[in-house]
Amino acid sequence: SQKIEQNSEALNIQEGKTATLTCNYTNYSPAYLQWYRQDPGRGPVFLLLIRENEKEKRKERLKVTFDTTLKQSLFHITASQPADSATYLCALAAGNKLTFGGGTRVLVKP
Amino acid sequence: GAVVSQHPSRVICKSGTSVKIECRSLDFQATTMFWYRQFPKQSLMLMATSNEGSKATYEQGVEKDKFLINHASLTLSTLTVTSAHPEDSSFYICSATHRDRSLREQYFGPGTRLTVT
Repeated sequence: SQKIEQNSEALNIQEGKTATLTCNYTNYSPAYLQWYRQDPGRGPVFLLLIRENEKEKRKERLKVTFDTTLKQSLFHITASQPADSATYLCALAAGNKLTFGGGTRVLVKP
Repeated sequence: GAVVSQHPSRVICKSGTSVKIECRSLDFQATTMFWYRQFPKQSLMLMATSNEGSKATYEQGVEKDKFLINHASLTLSTLTVTSAHPEDSSFYICSATHRDRSLREQYFGPGTRLTVT
């Protein structure tokens, strides 16, 4: 069966450090993968999309990598700030439908 | 641009009653709207996909007669939870794809917290 796995344990990091989140998947061949941010009691907000033929994508302090051989995406937040504290979700696309991972909560301490 | 609203943001209803949730794309026309459900500390689960003027496509295990979806225009979709029960208590989130942009990006509403007593 298809699975999308994200580390369910919260990631606690010090302000200024780089947070690295992992998204692993099985039994998928996604054309692209997306990362979203979700704050408590709110809907997800789109952050980045990376296609299967792209190795890396950057947006400001965010960086995403996509390894279709390992079936893994890494999401990095560099120079993290307390305002980056949230849950980060990866999502794989099949057609126009998205399937979400369970999300990883990030807590950036000042 | 690409703002999606939901109404109400919170609703409490009694078991056996029906609740309607509205999802609107405020500044764009939506090709497709999606309805998700999220239980505490869990991820979003897609319930159904709807296109304007056509019947919604429901995911496996989602009862179409219980979760009625109406997509009357390119800017409005509604989800009605009929004969709600406490197990239907959840966070319901809609999203929309922008007609003039990549179909890959989904713009999410703020969610509706439903509590059935």
